This record gives sequence, structure tokens and C-alpha cells, in this order.
Amino acid sequence: ELKVEQNPLFLSMQEGKNYTIYCNYSTTSDRLYWYRQDPGKSLESLFVLLSNGAVKQEGRLMASLDTKARLSTLHITAAVHDLSATYFCAVDIYSGYALNFGKGTSLLVTP
Amino acid sequence: GAGVSQSPSNKVTEKGKDVELRCDPISGHTALYWYRQSLGQGLEFLIYFQGNSAPDKSGLPSDRFSAERTGGSVSTLTIQRTQQEDSAVYLCASSLYSGGLYNEQFFGPGTRLTVL
Repeated sequence: ELKVEQNPLFLSMQEGKNYTIYCNYSTTSDRLYWYRQDPGKSLESLFVLLSNGAVKQEGRLMASLDTKARLSTLHITAAVHDLSATYFCAVDIYSGYALNFGKGTSLLVTP
Repeated sequence: GAGVSQSPSNKVTEKGKDVELRCDPISGHTALYWYRQSLGQGLEFLIYFQGNSAPDKSGLPSDRFSAERTGGSVSTLTIQRTQQEDSAVYLCASSLYSGGLYNEQFFGPGTRLTVL
């Protein structure tokens, strides 16, 4: 059974601070997906990481993938309130198949 | 362009009733997925359609759940004899998967099901 574990599950941080969310998974996969979910809304695709060492950045968010360690990180730089949301990582067993999601990290950015 | 749409957005039903949830995928997307999101279980895969292949039903929690996809487009998820534990948000996703390297899925707004 593929397991995807995120930590922390809850994160409260001040504006302007940096932090990292971790995503560990239990099976060999070269594909890792990050999604954002705002309260009451659906999931929005943020990043698709496709190979070992892949790094992608969008604004204050940067995601990376280490397939050997089966670890992805989502780094938040100089957080702003608009980043408050729940962030999910997901892995698929093989390309085209269903995604296995972590439990999500609920991020609250406070003034 | 139009994204994935789902209807209804909210559904309240009584225990024991049947419900149908609809998903319209992004035009041209060959793969369609149903997931369920609940507080206790997180995001769970339910069923997967790829083109004209037989669906992968391995995630369906019981035989009260079924789904079909007509004409390779619209999909309906049916829950028979609903139970209170079926209360959740049901999310549909589609992807333009064609045997490529990756499979980015695009999600609809979901149907919030409440079973009284």
C-alpha cells in the first residue's frame, strides 16, 4: 500500500517568515504533485515534479523532489496572508493512475 | 476554457435514499477520476475511467457505490441506500492522459453530500 505522509499537518506562521512542508512517500515514483485547497473550494494544481532533483518555483513557493529519499518539500518564502490554505502532496503509482494524497498541511499566515 | 464542472454543488438526503452525482470533465480529457474527501479519511480515490477501457473500481468502499461514464465524457456516481458515513465532499477530476510521462489532474468544485 502506497503511503504519503505530510508534516506538519497544521502550521501557523507569521507574515514574512520562511517555512518548509515535508512530504514523504513509501514507494518508488518519479512523479510528485502539489495542490492547494482554499476553504470550501476545490484543489488547484501548483506543481508537477517529474524527476529526481526537480525544482519548481512560483512566487513565494518552491517545490523540490528527491526520489532517492522519497521526499518532496514545499518551501514558503516570506509568507503572506494570501498563502493561507491547505496544501496537499500526491503521488501516483504509475503515470495515468489515481493519485494518493497526503492528509494535507493546513497553513495559516498571520500578521 | 471551461474547467471540470459538477452538479449538484450540495445535496442533502435522508438515510436510505439513492443519490446521483454528475461530473462534466474538461473537453478532450480522456481520463476521469472520482475522489471522496472527508475529515476523517482525507482524500480517497474511488474510481477511474480511462478512454474506453473498463473502469478501475478498486477504490469503491462498498457495492452501494457505482459509476458510469457515457460517451467517454460525462460521468455519474451513484450511491444507493445512503448511510451517514457517506457524508463527504465528492470530487471529480479529469486529465489529458495519453500514455505520457505524467498525469496532471484538474479538479471540479465538488459535491457536498450530507446524509441525515
